[in-house]
Amino acid sequence: DTGVSQDPRHKITKRGQNVTFRCDPISEHNRLYWYRQTLGQGPEFLTYFQNEAQLEKSRLLSDRFSAERPKGSFSTLEIQRTEQGDSAMYLCASSSTNHREQAEAFFGQGTRLTVV
Amino acid sequence: KNQVEQSPQSLIILEGKNCTLQCNYTVSPFSNLRWYKQDTGRGPVSLTIMTFSENTKSNGRYTATLDADTKQSSLHITASQLSDSASYICVVSPWKGKFQFGAGTQVVVTP
Repeated sequence: DTGVSQDPRHKITKRGQNVTFRCDPISEHNRLYWYRQTLGQGPEFLTYFQNEAQLEKSRLLSDRFSAERPKGSFSTLEIQRTEQGDSAMYLCASSSTNHREQAEAFFGQGTRLTVV
Repeated sequence: KNQVEQSPQSLIILEGKNCTLQCNYTVSPFSNLRWYKQDTGRGPVSLTIMTFSENTKSNGRYTATLDADTKQSSLHITASQLSDSASYICVVSPWKGKFQFGAGTQVVVTP
């Protein structure tokens, strides 16, 4: 499968625990995005990278959230001291800045986080 | 303020009927506008793409239109099927910066 893959698909954690999600983008894509989505809402932007550089981080993202893309390939999203309000689907997408007119975000299947 | 606004927020239609979803945007300049379909529990998938100079694009029973003067796009679903039940998201790709997402329209097709 050469699409975007996310791991794990589902995560249940107790409030206060730390969790880490992984995203493997399409190999030739230089941009990688993280979004959060709650039921009935569209994807909410969290952060994005171009290669290994983090270009933008949402103001909505508290300091409990951190993301890395150390070698410009896979990325991790860590949530520290999870709260029940963090329960959501976390989506990763990748894209290429080549052929800008055809720019498309390719999404993974998401990681469903439940904080109990 | 969100640069991409969609309406309605949700709609229910009978199987076989048509419907039209709206997207208003302020992103400019942009390279393309896409409509994505998101099935429950899955990531969004691109349905149609239109560049700035294109007015309409079809993909089977889905037809998207773009009016760059009024900064509006629509997605028309013809002869709806139960499998069309999903969220439809309008996404604008600016020349610089990140994708701009609408909040989506939740479509429910009933038998």
